[in-house]
Amino acid sequence: AQTVTQSQPEMSVQEAETVTLSCTYDTSESDYYLFWYKQPPSRQMILVIRQEAYKQQNATENRFSVNFQKAAKSFSLKISDSQLGDAAMYFCAPGFTGTASKLTFGTGTRLQVTL
Amino acid sequence: DTGVSQDPRHKITKRGQNVTFRCDPISEHNRLYWYRQTLGQGPEFLTYFQNEAQLEKSRLLSDRFSAERPKGSFSTLEIQRTEQGDSAMYLCASSSDRDNSPLHFGNGTRLTVT
Repeated sequence: AQTVTQSQPEMSVQEAETVTLSCTYDTSESDYYLFWYKQPPSRQMILVIRQEAYKQQNATENRFSVNFQKAAKSFSLKISDSQLGDAAMYFCAPGFTGTASKLTFGTGTRLQVTL
Repeated sequence: DTGVSQDPRHKITKRGQNVTFRCDPISEHNRLYWYRQTLGQGPEFLTYFQNEAQLEKSRLLSDRFSAERPKGSFSTLEIQRTEQGDSAMYLCASSSDRDNSPLHFGNGTRLTVT
């Protein structure tokens, strides 16, 4: 079974600053992919960024980037130039080849963005 | 793009009653998933369909839960004899049939069992 750990229940960042959310996972699989999802209050879960485990290059999507350390089984999310709209729950979710995109979610990190 | 839609958004029911939720996935997506999310937790996988076939069910899905996707389009999730512990947000998601395809989630159905 795969496990996912998000060790920061809550984080706070000032507007325009940078914040990093951590995620570690445990798996014996070698081929997998990783997602970060964002869930704003009372709104639907949306994809933030995706990383293929076989790719060494870290994924980047505008202000969002990841630091993927395969050996350490770590997949952190960096948000640059934080905006008020970034306030949400963030979930890390590995997906494993052969499990048809079934994802195992972490417990989430609540991000607050302050002025 | 109509996205994934779920109905109803909220459901309040008394313990022991049956409830049914509906999910309409993105039309070109073959895969459909049900997740359950309780307060302060991440979503937990319940079951998934490839077209009309239900290919996997979690141990979380007790005998009181049943899901269908009769024509490979919309899906229903029924909970019989609801219990207070069933109170949660029930999320539906869909994806294409590539293993690394991201899930597209609906807004969820929030169930409260009194």
